[in-house]
Amino acid sequence: DQQVKQNSPSLSVQEGRISILNCDYTNSMFDYFLWYKKYPAEGPTFLISISSIKDKNEDGRFTVFLNKSAKHLSLHIVPSQPGDSAVYFCAASEWDKIIFGKGTRLHILP
Amino acid sequence: KAGVTQTPRYLIKTRGQQVTLSCSPISGHRSVSWYQQTPGQGLQFLFEYFSETQRNKGNFPGRFSGRQFSNSRSEMNVSTLELGDSALYLCASSLGQGARRYEQYFGPGTRLTVT
Repeated sequence: DQQVKQNSPSLSVQEGRISILNCDYTNSMFDYFLWYKKYPAEGPTFLISISSIKDKNEDGRFTVFLNKSAKHLSLHIVPSQPGDSAVYFCAASEWDKIIFGKGTRLHILP
Repeated sequence: KAGVTQTPRYLIKTRGQQVTLSCSPISGHRSVSWYQQTPGQGLQFLFEYFSETQRNKGNFPGRFSGRQFSNSRSEMNVSTLELGDSALYLCASSLGQGARRYEQYFGPGTRLTVT
């Protein structure tokens, strides 16, 4: 039973445009949400996080939105750059146990 | 500040053998978590150690075990290896407490191949 779902295995976006990565979850007890980015042959890198008491968190080009009623999380990257091409993992935490989605591969097109 | 290091980076073992993987966290981090990454299942949580105690555990069989030392370094052991244990094993460290306890920093992983 997947508690954190990333339903799009891949996404292609033109350079300079907005990339929107989506994540759905089923457990209403999750209290913290995170996004990680992973390049091939490297471990995931922490990008941005959001507490369940907030609905938005922004850090430079990255903004995470949380819609608790819909149990939906999204990551916006504006503007998208070639170096953003990677696999993005959504993760959620309950009682310090972190559960990851299966990832979305983002391709930034020139 | 040095990042999370994992040794070895690559390992080939035979079914039935056992293996020990090592992880050195970022200095000052007291929590170490282990994950298994496979193409079909993504990142799956194995267990977390904090101050030498297992604090959380995922849904893996008892063949998977771990420990943490007083310097926060951690080892993961897999006994009686099966073909399905072939995966990338990732270690992540974090402060383990406080406002940023969920922010984990990952090592490059150990690629285990079981033949």
